Amino acid sequence: SQKIEQNSEALNIQEGKTATLTCNYTNYSPAYLQWYRQDPGRGPVFLLLIRENEKEKRKERLKVTFDTTLKQSLFHITASQPADSATYLCALPTDGGSQGNLIFGKGTKLSVKP
Amino acid sequence: DTAVSQTPKYLVTQMGNDKSIKCEQNLGHDTMYWYKQDSKKFLKIMFSYNNKELIINETVPNRFSPKSPDKAHLNLHINSLELGDSAVYFCASSQGQGAWEAFFGQGTRLTVV
Repeated sequence: SQKIEQNSEALNIQEGKTATLTCNYTNYSPAYLQWYRQDPGRGPVFLLLIRENEKEKRKERLKVTFDTTLKQSLFHITASQPADSATYLCALPTDGGSQGNLIFGKGTKLSVKP
Repeated sequence: DTAVSQTPKYLVTQMGNDKSIKCEQNLGHDTMYWYKQDSKKFLKIMFSYNNKELIINETVPNRFSPKSPDKAHLNLHINSLELGDSAVYFCASSQGQGAWEAFFGQGTRLTVV
Protein backbone atom coordinates (compact mmCIF):
# COMPACT_ATOMS: atom_id res chain seq x y z
CA SER A 1 0.00 0.00 0.00
CA GLN A 2 1.01 3.62 -0.44
CA LYS A 3 3.14 5.02 2.34
CA ILE A 4 4.45 8.50 3.10
CA GLU A 5 7.12 9.18 5.67
CA GLN A 6 8.34 12.47 6.99
CA ASN A 7 11.38 11.28 8.78
CA SER A 8 11.57 13.93 11.48
CA GLU A 9 8.74 14.47 13.89
CA ALA A 10 10.44 17.62 15.13
CA LEU A 11 13.17 19.89 13.88
CA ASN A 12 14.74 22.67 15.93
CA ILE A 13 16.90 25.29 14.24
CA GLN A 14 18.31 28.72 14.91
CA GLU A 15 16.85 31.80 13.30
CA GLY A 16 18.54 32.65 10.03
CA LYS A 17 19.51 29.07 9.22
CA THR A 18 18.02 26.94 6.47
CA ALA A 19 15.48 24.33 7.51
CA THR A 20 15.36 21.18 5.41
CA LEU A 21 12.43 18.78 5.75
CA THR A 22 12.23 15.40 4.06
CA CYS A 23 9.31 13.49 2.61
CA ASN A 24 9.76 9.92 1.35
CA TYR A 25 7.14 7.71 -0.25
CA THR A 26 6.91 4.08 -1.33
CA ASN A 27 4.74 1.92 -3.56
CA TYR A 28 3.75 4.95 -5.51
CA SER A 29 4.31 7.06 -8.63
CA PRO A 30 2.49 10.34 -7.99
CA ALA A 31 1.93 12.90 -10.71
CA TYR A 32 2.60 15.68 -8.20
CA LEU A 33 3.38 16.41 -4.58
CA GLN A 34 2.23 19.21 -2.31
CA TRP A 35 3.47 20.83 0.87
CA TYR A 36 1.21 22.39 3.48
CA ARG A 37 1.74 24.31 6.69
CA GLN A 38 -0.44 23.67 9.74
CA ASP A 39 -0.52 25.86 12.82
CA PRO A 40 -2.04 24.60 16.12
CA GLY A 41 -5.81 24.64 16.04
CA ARG A 42 -5.93 25.57 12.36
CA GLY A 43 -6.45 23.82 9.07
CA PRO A 44 -3.55 23.12 6.71
CA VAL A 45 -2.54 25.94 4.40
CA PHE A 46 -1.18 25.20 0.93
CA LEU A 47 2.40 26.25 0.23
CA LEU A 48 3.72 24.64 -2.94
CA LEU A 49 2.87 22.05 -5.58
CA ILE A 50 5.55 20.36 -7.65
CA ARG A 51 4.85 18.04 -10.59
CA GLU A 52 6.70 14.84 -11.47
CA ASN A 53 8.42 16.49 -14.43
CA GLU A 54 9.72 19.37 -12.30
CA LYS A 55 12.93 19.01 -10.36
CA GLU A 56 12.64 22.14 -8.27
CA LYS A 57 10.18 24.88 -7.43
CA ARG A 58 10.65 28.11 -5.50
CA LYS A 59 8.41 30.61 -3.80
CA GLU A 60 10.03 33.44 -1.89
CA ARG A 61 12.11 31.75 0.85
CA LEU A 62 10.68 28.32 0.11
CA LYS A 63 12.17 25.70 -2.18
CA VAL A 64 10.89 22.23 -2.97
CA THR A 65 12.66 19.47 -4.86
CA PHE A 66 11.11 16.29 -6.23
CA ASP A 67 13.24 13.26 -7.04
CA THR A 68 11.03 10.56 -8.55
CA THR A 69 13.94 8.10 -8.70
CA LEU A 70 14.67 8.40 -4.99
CA LYS A 71 10.94 8.82 -4.29
CA GLN A 72 11.74 11.82 -2.17
CA SER A 73 10.90 15.48 -1.81
CA LEU A 74 12.93 18.02 0.13
CA PHE A 75 11.38 21.20 1.49
CA HIS A 76 13.71 24.07 2.33
CA ILE A 77 13.05 27.30 4.19
CA THR A 78 15.95 29.71 3.86
CA ALA A 79 16.69 32.51 6.31
CA SER A 80 14.24 30.94 8.73
CA GLN A 81 12.29 33.10 11.15
CA PRO A 82 10.44 32.30 14.39
CA ALA A 83 7.20 32.93 12.46
CA ASP A 84 8.05 29.87 10.33
CA SER A 85 7.50 27.66 13.38
CA ALA A 86 4.67 25.27 12.50
CA THR A 87 4.01 21.72 11.38
CA TYR A 88 4.77 21.08 7.72
CA LEU A 89 2.87 18.37 5.90
CA CYS A 90 3.78 16.56 2.72
CA ALA A 91 0.82 15.37 0.62
CA LEU A 92 0.43 13.10 -2.39
CA PRO A 93 -2.65 12.28 -4.48
CA THR A 94 -4.17 8.95 -3.53
CA ASP A 95 -4.76 7.76 -7.06
CA GLY A 96 -1.64 9.06 -8.74
CA GLY A 97 -3.14 12.40 -9.59
CA SER A 98 -6.46 12.37 -11.40
CA GLN A 99 -8.90 13.08 -8.59
CA GLY A 100 -7.26 15.33 -6.06
CA ASN A 101 -7.77 13.27 -2.91
CA LEU A 102 -4.62 13.56 -0.85
CA ILE A 103 -2.64 11.30 1.45
CA PHE A 104 -0.78 13.31 4.06
CA GLY A 105 2.38 12.52 5.92
CA LYS A 106 2.39 12.83 9.67
CA GLY A 107 4.21 16.14 9.45
CA THR A 108 7.37 17.66 10.81
CA LYS A 109 7.07 20.19 13.60
CA LEU A 110 9.56 22.96 12.96
CA SER A 111 10.69 25.25 15.76
CA VAL A 112 12.81 28.26 14.88
CA LYS A 113 14.54 29.80 17.89
CA PRO A 114 15.48 33.48 17.96
CA ASP B 1 -14.06 36.74 4.06
CA THR B 2 -13.56 33.13 5.11
CA ALA B 3 -13.01 30.92 2.07
CA VAL B 4 -13.99 27.60 3.69
CA SER B 5 -16.02 27.80 6.86
CA GLN B 6 -17.15 25.01 9.15
CA THR B 7 -19.60 25.00 12.01
CA PRO B 8 -19.40 24.27 14.82
CA LYS B 9 -15.75 24.70 15.77
CA TYR B 10 -16.19 22.50 18.84
CA LEU B 11 -18.70 19.72 19.38
CA VAL B 12 -19.02 17.65 22.55
CA THR B 13 -21.65 14.93 22.55
CA GLN B 14 -22.54 11.63 24.12
CA MET B 15 -22.10 8.21 22.61
CA GLY B 16 -24.99 7.10 20.49
CA ASN B 17 -26.04 10.59 19.47
CA ASP B 18 -26.41 11.81 15.89
CA LYS B 19 -24.67 15.02 14.89
CA SER B 20 -23.92 17.13 11.83
CA ILE B 21 -21.07 19.37 10.83
CA LYS B 22 -21.68 22.03 8.21
CA CYS B 23 -19.26 23.29 5.62
CA GLU B 24 -19.51 26.11 3.12
CA GLN B 25 -17.05 27.44 0.58
CA ASN B 26 -17.34 30.77 -1.22
CA LEU B 27 -14.54 30.13 -3.72
CA GLY B 28 -16.71 28.77 -6.50
CA HIS B 29 -14.83 25.48 -6.36
CA ASP B 30 -16.17 22.31 -7.94
CA THR B 31 -14.70 19.79 -5.51
CA MET B 32 -15.13 19.51 -1.75
CA TYR B 33 -13.68 17.07 0.76
CA TRP B 34 -13.91 15.84 4.31
CA TYR B 35 -10.74 14.86 6.14
CA LYS B 36 -10.28 13.40 9.61
CA GLN B 37 -7.27 14.19 11.79
CA ASP B 38 -6.94 11.77 14.66
CA SER B 39 -5.07 12.09 17.95
CA LYS B 40 -1.85 11.01 16.26
CA LYS B 41 -2.23 13.94 13.87
CA PHE B 42 -2.68 11.80 10.75
CA LEU B 43 -4.88 13.58 8.24
CA LYS B 44 -6.99 11.11 6.24
CA ILE B 45 -9.44 11.60 3.39
CA MET B 46 -12.98 10.51 4.14
CA PHE B 47 -15.07 11.74 1.21
CA SER B 48 -14.84 13.95 -1.81
CA TYR B 49 -17.57 15.49 -3.90
CA ASN B 50 -17.28 16.86 -7.40
CA ASN B 51 -20.18 18.83 -8.81
CA LYS B 52 -22.48 17.43 -6.14
CA GLU B 53 -21.67 13.83 -6.91
CA LEU B 54 -19.69 11.54 -4.64
CA ILE B 55 -16.65 10.54 -6.57
CA ILE B 56 -14.91 8.47 -3.95
CA ASN B 57 -15.90 7.07 -0.62
CA GLU B 58 -12.96 5.80 1.39
CA THR B 59 -13.54 2.91 3.78
CA VAL B 60 -15.29 4.86 6.49
CA PRO B 61 -18.19 3.44 8.49
CA ASN B 62 -21.57 3.96 6.91
CA ARG B 63 -22.56 5.89 10.05
CA PHE B 64 -20.84 8.77 8.29
CA SER B 65 -22.72 10.29 5.39
CA PRO B 66 -21.88 13.39 3.38
CA LYS B 67 -24.71 15.55 2.10
CA SER B 68 -24.30 18.25 -0.52
CA PRO B 69 -27.37 20.45 -1.05
CA ASP B 70 -25.45 22.52 -3.62
CA LYS B 71 -21.95 23.01 -4.98
CA ALA B 72 -20.97 25.40 -2.18
CA HIS B 73 -21.96 23.16 0.72
CA LEU B 74 -20.87 19.74 1.94
CA ASN B 75 -22.23 18.68 5.30
CA LEU B 76 -21.17 15.65 7.29
CA HIS B 77 -23.74 13.63 9.19
CA ILE B 78 -22.65 11.13 11.80
CA ASN B 79 -25.06 8.62 13.31
CA SER B 80 -24.65 6.61 16.51
CA LEU B 81 -21.47 8.34 17.56
CA GLU B 82 -18.74 6.23 19.13
CA LEU B 83 -15.78 7.15 21.33
CA GLY B 84 -13.40 6.42 18.45
CA ASP B 85 -15.04 9.10 16.35
CA SER B 86 -13.40 11.76 18.51
CA ALA B 87 -11.08 13.70 16.22
CA VAL B 88 -10.76 16.95 14.32
CA TYR B 89 -12.73 16.99 11.08
CA PHE B 90 -11.65 19.29 8.27
CA CYS B 91 -13.63 20.37 5.30
CA ALA B 92 -11.68 21.41 2.21
CA SER B 93 -12.30 22.47 -1.36
CA SER B 94 -10.34 22.70 -4.58
CA GLN B 95 -10.97 24.23 -7.96
CA GLY B 96 -11.29 20.85 -9.56
CA GLN B 97 -10.03 17.32 -9.53
CA GLY B 98 -6.35 16.63 -10.01
CA ALA B 99 -3.42 18.92 -9.29
CA TRP B 100 -5.16 21.76 -7.50
CA GLU B 101 -4.33 23.20 -4.13
CA ALA B 102 -6.79 22.40 -1.38
CA PHE B 103 -8.25 25.11 0.83
CA PHE B 104 -9.08 23.89 4.33
CA GLY B 105 -11.56 25.09 6.90
CA GLN B 106 -10.52 25.72 10.48
CA GLY B 107 -11.67 22.30 11.62
CA THR B 108 -14.32 20.93 13.96
CA ARG B 109 -13.06 19.26 17.10
CA LEU B 110 -15.49 16.47 17.92
CA THR B 111 -15.35 14.91 21.36
CA VAL B 112 -17.53 11.93 22.12
CA VAL B 113 -17.99 11.18 25.81
